[in-house]
Amino acid sequence: AQTVTQSQPEMSVQEAETVTLSCTYDTSESDYYLFWYKQPPSRQMILVIRQEAYKQQNATENRFSVNFQKAAKSFSLKISDSQLGDAAMYFCAAYSGAGSYQLTFGKGTKLSVIP
Amino acid sequence: ETGVTQTPRHLVMGMTNKKSLKCEQHLGHNAMYWYKQSAKKPLELMFVYNFKEQTENNSVPSRFSPECPNSSHLFLHLHTLQPEDSALYLCASSQVLGNQPQHFGDGTRLSIL
Repeated sequence: AQTVTQSQPEMSVQEAETVTLSCTYDTSESDYYLFWYKQPPSRQMILVIRQEAYKQQNATENRFSVNFQKAAKSFSLKISDSQLGDAAMYFCAAYSGAGSYQLTFGKGTKLSVIP
Repeated sequence: ETGVTQTPRHLVMGMTNKKSLKCEQHLGHNAMYWYKQSAKKPLELMFVYNFKEQTENNSVPSRFSPECPNSSHLFLHLHTLQPEDSALYLCASSQVLGNQPQHFGDGTRLSIL
């Protein structure tokens, strides 16, 4: 079984500044995938970024990037030049496919952006 | 505009009612999922369907009954629910089962009286 832990229930960032959301995971599998999803007040869960564990290079998507530390089982999300539209719940998730097609989610971090 | 549409957006029902949640995806995906999202808890996977066949039932009580008539439509039939079943129910789809990103709908906010 895999677990995903987000230790920051809430965070805030000043508009245009940079913020990092933390995520740690635990899995016994060597092949797995990590995701960050964003859920704004509109409720739709939107994929932000995806990282394959076998890739050493950190994934990036425009203002969003990850710091993937495989040995430490850490997968943090960095949001640069924060915008008001970035305010949302952010969920870290892991998939390993070991006998299950389950995507395991963390409890989420609520990000507020201060104008 | 989302490629995954869920109806209704809100639903209030008594414990003895029977209702159904509907999910439709317009993305040509082959896998569909039901999740339950409760306050202060991680998303809980309920059911997984792959090419209309149920591949996973995550120990969900029988008062929740899924139905997948084709790869584009997924239903969740509700019967004799309990107050603790009040939650946001999210539908998702992916191209195939596995590590592919899942696309989510807006969810149905369910309240049990």
